[in-house]
Amino acid sequence: RKEVEQDPGPFNVPEGATVAFNCTYSNSASQSFFWYRQDCRKEPKLLMSVYSSGNEDGRFTAQLNRASQYISLLIRDSKLSDSATYLCVVNGPAYKLIFGSGTRLLVRP
Amino acid sequence: DVKVTQSSRYLVKRTGEKVFLECVQDMDHENMFWYRQDPGLGLRLIYFSYDVKMKEKGDIPEGYSVSREKKERFSLILESASTNQTSMYLCATEKGQGVEKLFFGSGTQLSVL
Repeated sequence: RKEVEQDPGPFNVPEGATVAFNCTYSNSASQSFFWYRQDCRKEPKLLMSVYSSGNEDGRFTAQLNRASQYISLLIRDSKLSDSATYLCVVNGPAYKLIFGSGTRLLVRP
Repeated sequence: DVKVTQSSRYLVKRTGEKVFLECVQDMDHENMFWYRQDPGLGLRLIYFSYDVKMKEKGDIPEGYSVSREKKERFSLILESASTNQTSMYLCATEKGQGVEKLFFGSGTQLSVL
């Protein structure tokens, strides 16, 4: 089993739609969780950290479910510019970060 | 803003060549990392460094070595390039006070023929 698993997609949604991605992780001792965004042929960039209480940043909401060992990312009112690959990141042993292989989102006009 | 500069955007090398990938950062970050990214496999950690002259193996160090002679520079070395090392290589830095935000360079797409 992979340490961090994501549905690769692609998720193909119309502009204005709400879309959600889940990510599961295997290490119950993990304490830090993040979502990174990666545009085509670009480097990953931090989108948001995921806190135990959940957090929201504009149209983006991240949630953590420790009992089931997954994190989620919800995007409301999707824009064309949201088209990208979303990487789930979880801390592993010795504070190393473990990346999922990403979920691809395509937002169509 | 942190700037992480990788020396080449695209690189083509032949099997058996020695390859150097350079990464320079300008924000005095303690921690530096080398990842490779392959389709369907995500980012995998090759080596990292928490201090000058210090290095730690990541998850896939075989066939690679690193050098950190100065705080701002972290080099990845492929001693004898092989075709299975064809990949996107990404350098990243982290301030160094725990698990924090990673800043990535723009990547080097290496093709080994």
